[in-house]
Amino acid sequence: NAGVTQTPKFQVLKTGQSMTLQCAQDMNHEYMSWYRQDPGMGLRLIHYSVGAGITDQGEVPNGYNVSRSTTEDFPLRLLSAAPSQTSVYFCASRREAGGQSYLQYFGPGTRLTVL
Amino acid sequence: GQQVMQIPQYQHVQEGEDFTTYCNSSTTLSNIQWYKQRPGGHPVFLIQLVKSGEVKKQKRLTFQFGEAKKNSSLHITATQTTDVGTYFCAGRSGTYKYIFGTGTRLKVLA
Repeated sequence: NAGVTQTPKFQVLKTGQSMTLQCAQDMNHEYMSWYRQDPGMGLRLIHYSVGAGITDQGEVPNGYNVSRSTTEDFPLRLLSAAPSQTSVYFCASRREAGGQSYLQYFGPGTRLTVL
Repeated sequence: GQQVMQIPQYQHVQEGEDFTTYCNSSTTLSNIQWYKQRPGGHPVFLIQLVKSGEVKKQKRLTFQFGEAKKNSSLHITATQTTDVGTYFCAGRSGTYKYIFGTGTRLKVLA
């Protein structure tokens, strides 16, 4: 199993550009999510999904879109990049069954800089 | 909305000393998870606590969940240099969402 994979590892954007951060998992997990981590801070939930075709907003969803067309993939789209979106982005997945959540796996992260 | 606070923000200890980080939620949690993140790395799941008053141990690490399910702690006995990193708690109070604490950064001096 590759676990949770993210691409790219690093990205530099100019203000106003758009891009998609890719996330994939091969564990057949129902739940996937995106977090951002700013220096010296915890992780803040951007969007999450509980299955293909189902997504919902987290704590800081503005400026980001997601979709979940397959169980494996959960891309995060930045619509018009702003310097405030400079951060490290983590994708995570976990199994959810019968109202019980199981251990959550994180990807290696994408380090994004917006100039 | 739900908030999860963690203290202390930083902790420097001599190798061999004990370390404790505390997590407090503004709402009652259904469960809480703990993670460790090494510098430059990604969060790695350590443990999940579900029951009120639950205590779990992993070698030198002891995790507790408060009776009211609003607080938790992680205690490391006799720290080692391999314990360096940031420890996060993440609390779940509603459906699906986990809210992360701000983390405690541990530095171990040899």
